[in-house]
Amino acid sequence: EAGVAQSPRYKIIEKRQSVAFWCNPISGHATLYWYQQILGQGPKLLIQFQNNGVVDDSQLPKDRFSAERLKGVDSTLKIQPAKLEDSAVYLCASSSGLLLSGQKHSYEQYFGPGTRLTVT
Amino acid sequence: GNSVTQMEGPVTLSEEAFLTINCTYTATGYPSLFWYVQYPGEGLQLLLKATKADDKGSNKGFEATYRKETTSFHLEKGSVQVSDSAVYFCALKGRGSSNTGKLIFGQGTTLQVKP
Repeated sequence: EAGVAQSPRYKIIEKRQSVAFWCNPISGHATLYWYQQILGQGPKLLIQFQNNGVVDDSQLPKDRFSAERLKGVDSTLKIQPAKLEDSAVYLCASSSGLLLSGQKHSYEQYFGPGTRLTVT
Repeated sequence: GNSVTQMEGPVTLSEEAFLTINCTYTATGYPSLFWYVQYPGEGLQLLLKATKADDKGSNKGFEATYRKETTSFHLEKGSVQVSDSAVYFCALKGRGSSNTGKLIFGQGTTLQVKP
């Protein structure tokens, strides 16, 4: 079974530029997560999708970050304009967990290799 | 809110030494608890998990027991190898109708094992 794919693996941009990251989850996984991992810290959830709907984006800085999962499969995370403090590893994860009416099923999250962003 | 605290690193051990990495948590209700490992240049991998009090998760010689009374989930291994050198993350997943399945991570503990 193929794992979670992410690209690019590394990206260096100047502040105020824009950047986009791509994630392809494990086939059939309904739930997709984007985490931000700043050096020396644990990953922090930015946004969670179930199929093509947003479940949780409470920690997403919406003035500069956006994400979409239009067809409920691949996802793109964009930063525009980037700031120095956005330097981090951006992790994508997927799980087969589904949110059913009033009852939640949460299964193991599988992580991609991440995209290391450096903003200079 | 929910949170996870891990012991500060880095931890440096000689091969075959005993390992303990402390993890404590704050959560409402009874969360599920996890240890993830991140080897150099690789993504996060689930190492072990426990879903209820007194459960013991184990994998690859690592163990951790869910202690409700001390809100802890310490990671242990009896004899570490050089190949265990990595960053270890403790994490929790909350329960209840307000939880969506997201993981809340500690800050990570770097383990370096010397031959």
